[in-house]
Amino acid sequence: EAQVTQNPRYLITVTGKKLTVTCSQNMNHEYMSWYRQDPGLGLRQIYYSMNVEVTDKGDVPEGYKVSRKEKRNFPLILESPSPNQTSLYFCASRGPYEQYFGPGTRLTVT
Amino acid sequence: AQKITQTQPGMFVQEKEAVTLDCTYDTSDQSYGLFWYKQPSSGEMIFLIYQGSYDEQNATEGRYSLNFQKARKSANLVISASQLGDSAMYFCAMRGFGGSNYKLTFGKGTLLTVNP
Repeated sequence: EAQVTQNPRYLITVTGKKLTVTCSQNMNHEYMSWYRQDPGLGLRQIYYSMNVEVTDKGDVPEGYKVSRKEKRNFPLILESPSPNQTSLYFCASRGPYEQYFGPGTRLTVT
Repeated sequence: AQKITQTQPGMFVQEKEAVTLDCTYDTSDQSYGLFWYKQPSSGEMIFLIYQGSYDEQNATEGRYSLNFQKARKSANLVISASQLGDSAMYFCAMRGFGGSNYKLTFGKGTLLTVNP
């Protein structure tokens, strides 16, 4: 089954404690990206990757890092999370037309 | 840059009736794609339908159809024979085909409630 997986699905953490949200896709897609969804602001792109070792900033990259060492994996790293990064995060990979979204990670930073 | 406008924050429809969710867009790209996604209360983003800007026919996928009016820059989603399970947030999105970033630009969404 074609899918994008994310872990964890839910995370409550404290300010400053480094965390990683993993993302993996099994469709051999080259393009992957991360979005965050906030009430009233919709979904906004954080980072994207065109292929292995090729990443670039989206619209709201501050406070985030990514890496793309393998085609299937695209982790999102928050080195020093802050409360304004409390959000619902989606990983996505691009098919021929549509983008497939992971199930989302609901992050709360206290 | 692209912009998506969804003017209906909420919509109500009776079960088995059809409903239209509005979406207008703005872009300077000559070639682009339009998408609709469904987000139920569980939170996942479910792809519904895609329309390419050069597609001559309106896209259809089962009970979903996209009413594409290029001159008016509108891409309304029509759901026929609504079901209770259609209650969800619906997002219109677009992507320009210029450049290397396949970023989707989303509207703010329409919350659809299907009444029994």
